[in-house]
Amino acid sequence: KNEVEQSPQNLTAQEGEFITINCSYSVGISALHWLQQHPGGGIVSLFMLSSGKKKHGRLIATINIQEKHSSLHITASHPRDSAVYICAVIRGAQKLVFGQGTRLTINP
Amino acid sequence: NAGVTQTPKFQVLKTGQSMTLQCAQDMNHEYMSWYRQDPGMGLRLIHYSVGAGITDQGEVPNGYNVSRSTTEDFPLRLLSAAPSQTSVYFCASTGDYETQYFGPGTRLLVL
Repeated sequence: KNEVEQSPQNLTAQEGEFITINCSYSVGISALHWLQQHPGGGIVSLFMLSSGKKKHGRLIATINIQEKHSSLHITASHPRDSAVYICAVIRGAQKLVFGQGTRLTINP
Repeated sequence: NAGVTQTPKFQVLKTGQSMTLQCAQDMNHEYMSWYRQDPGMGLRLIHYSVGAGITDQGEVPNGYNVSRSTTEDFPLRLLSAAPSQTSVYFCASTGDYETQYFGPGTRLLVL
């Protein structure tokens, strides 16, 4: 079993829908990242959080350390949000362990 | 700042050939790492460095060497390429508040 599991693996939605991507992990962590990988391949950091909730524009990330679970929400989704979203946990000495990613497609 | 740069963007090798993937960052970050990304799998750590002169193995180090002679550069060497090393390789550095900065990736095909 992977240490970091994301669900769903693939998600297709219509423009404007509220999107939720989930990340569960089975190990102790110091923090968790949400990353976005565009179709061209580049990876950018969206959030790093160790507790509670963070918001940036239409993106919201939450984490529950006790339940070992994090969610990434996108409000008012848009076709430009189409990408692979990756959860990664920090395990000591800044080492990252990555989930397999969730491929999101937003149709106009 | 250029951020994290990688060269080449794409490379084709024959089995047994050697090559070096270049990675550089201009943000004065101490921590740098190399990952490989394969279909159906998350990114996996190959090697990492916590500063000039210090490197260590990650999850999948076999067949790869690294060195860190300067803060800026962190090259990854394939000693004798194998088809199993066909992958997309990402270099990354870690900045303040553990923010991750990724290079654009190198797509490697080993025939």
